[in-house]
Amino acid sequence: NAGVTQTPKFQVLKTGQSMTLQCAQDMNHEYMSWYRQDPGMGLRLIHYSVGAGITDQGEVPNGYNVSRSTTEDFPLRLLSAAPSQTSVYFCASSLVQGSQPQHFGDGTRLSIL
Amino acid sequence: AQKVTQAQTEISVVEKEDVTLDCVYETRDTTYYLFWYKQPPSGELVFLIRRNSFDEQNEISGRYSWNFQKSTSSFNFTITASQVVDSAVYFCALSSFGNEKLTFGTGTRLTIIP
Repeated sequence: NAGVTQTPKFQVLKTGQSMTLQCAQDMNHEYMSWYRQDPGMGLRLIHYSVGAGITDQGEVPNGYNVSRSTTEDFPLRLLSAAPSQTSVYFCASSLVQGSQPQHFGDGTRLSIL
Repeated sequence: AQKVTQAQTEISVVEKEDVTLDCVYETRDTTYYLFWYKQPPSGELVFLIRRNSFDEQNEISGRYSWNFQKSTSSFNFTITASQVVDSAVYFCALSSFGNEKLTFGTGTRLTIIP
């Protein structure tokens, strides 16, 4: 099993560009989520999904879109990149059974110039 | 709203010393879960422990131990006989029963000096 796979690992964008961060898991987990990690702020939840076809906003959703067409995939889209979105992005997944530990991907380091 | 506070931003100790990382949480829920994650210099997040609010027993796993006290809303993490490999950022996190969303603290950067 690969666990949670994020691509790309690094990306540099110009302000205004759009891109999609990919996240895939092979553990048949219902719950998937995206966090961003910024210095001194811990991890903050962007969007999450409790199953295919169901998504919801987290703490910092502005500027990001998500969709969940399959159980395995949960892409995060930046519609028009801004320097404030420079961050490290983590995707996570877990079973929906009594707050099971979440499995995290290795992260995507994104820089917006 | 839920909140997790890790007041210690950075800690440095000499190898083989014991060190305790503090975690204080706020929640209105009666059933909740607490977690600790480790983020080594390589950047990945590694799950260490999950605790539910009904279980206040302290837990020990090798050199790691956790002290959960509902009376003070704390879930502290102690590393005994620290090693250089323990150098990492450690995050405490909280979720509610039936809700997988995690609220993270800001993390404590632990440096073990050889």
